[in-house]
Amino acid sequence: RKEVEQDPGPFNVPEGATVAFNCTYSNSASQSFFWYRQDCRKEPKLLMSVYSSGNEDGRFTAQLNRASQYISLLIRDSKLSDSATYLCVVNQGGKLIFGQGTELSVKP
Amino acid sequence: EAGVAQSPRYKIIEKRQSVAFWCNPISGHATLYWYQQILGQGPKLLIQFQNNGVVDDSQLPKDRFSAERLKGVDSTLKIQPAKLEDSAVYLCASSPGTGYEQFFGPGTRLTVL
Repeated sequence: RKEVEQDPGPFNVPEGATVAFNCTYSNSASQSFFWYRQDCRKEPKLLMSVYSSGNEDGRFTAQLNRASQYISLLIRDSKLSDSATYLCVVNQGGKLIFGQGTELSVKP
Repeated sequence: EAGVAQSPRYKIIEKRQSVAFWCNPISGHATLYWYQQILGQGPKLLIQFQNNGVVDDSQLPKDRFSAERLKGVDSTLKIQPAKLEDSAVYLCASSPGTGYEQFFGPGTRLTVL
């Protein structure tokens, strides 16, 4: 079993759609969780941290379920500029473990 | 503030040749990471430095890969000899310390023919 597993993509959605990405992790001792965004042929950049209580940043909502070892990212009102690969990331003892990424393509 | 710098941006070599990558982290960042990202996969940590000491190199193929951060600032990653499966993007990242946000450089895209 992979340490961090994400929905296989790609997701193709129209502008304005709501899209959700799911991620599961295998190590229950994982300490913190993040979503990174990676544009085509660019480096990953932190999108948001994920807190146990759930957190929101504009159109983006992240949720964590420690009991199920599950993380999600919801994007509302998708924009063309949201097209990218979204990486689920788990911190295990200071070491970041990345999922394989889920590609999102938002179409006009 | 200047970001993480890497060079070269692209490198094409033949198998069994050697190659070296260079990384200059954000000023003041104590922790430096090298990742390997194969097409279609997420980045995989190769080695983590805290200042000039190695914290984690458990996934570094030590028979062919080596890395150093002699003065606790710049770092180099070397592959000798390269194999076809080493074709990937090599990303350097830095952070103020372990557990803080990591900032990535633009990466070096290596193609081994």
